[in-house]
Amino acid sequence: SAVISQKPSRDICQRGTSLTIQCQVDSQVTMMFWYRQQPGQSLTLIATANQGSEATYESGFVIDKFPISRPNLTFSTLTVSNMSPEDSSIYLCSAQTGEAFFGQGTRLTVV
Amino acid sequence: EDQVTQSPEALRLQEGESSSLNCSYTVSGLRGLFWYRQDPGKGPEFLFTLYSAGEEKEKERLKATLTKKESFLHITAPKPEDSATYLCAVQAGNTDKLIFGTGTRLQVFP
Repeated sequence: SAVISQKPSRDICQRGTSLTIQCQVDSQVTMMFWYRQQPGQSLTLIATANQGSEATYESGFVIDKFPISRPNLTFSTLTVSNMSPEDSSIYLCSAQTGEAFFGQGTRLTVV
Repeated sequence: EDQVTQSPEALRLQEGESSSLNCSYTVSGLRGLFWYRQDPGKGPEFLFTLYSAGEEKEKERLKATLTKKESFLHITAPKPEDSATYLCAVQAGNTDKLIFGTGTRLQVFP
């Protein structure tokens, strides 16, 4: 298993600004993923972040809006850029070692 | 297109009233099916992985089974603390990413 620390746990941001979410894993993992979860809905994959390569984005998500860094095997960041109220959501990071383990999520509210 | 469907969307049970949650999938080359529990305000908590039809796994009051088209999460004599949203996800083809279903919100009343 893997223990994942994600921060911040929540934030309220002004529209037009950017927020960087950090994800720290307690062990080295090759595969990390970033998800978005709208209130009352399931998880939607934003991108796959593997160390040593550029992130791979899912349909509907672009690097300019959601830049991702993966500097080493235990850490990743997701930035939500130029935010609008539609970006209000829960953002989750995941580390996969066979099974996928999740952080506690970041609840983002854009006003 | 790979698809995962969960039913029912919501389920209310009396404490001790056993039931099952369903996860139907349409994917090319299933590599694994995963069950998660999610409590409000928290990230999903891993429960089970199933890899092949006929496989079963148990943990306390929960038992997960897998066929070629669907998986069931059986809850035996549930307690109020089993109340949560249960998510299933599949991994298929040559990709490592998970495709999640929409979840079943379970409420167990004393």
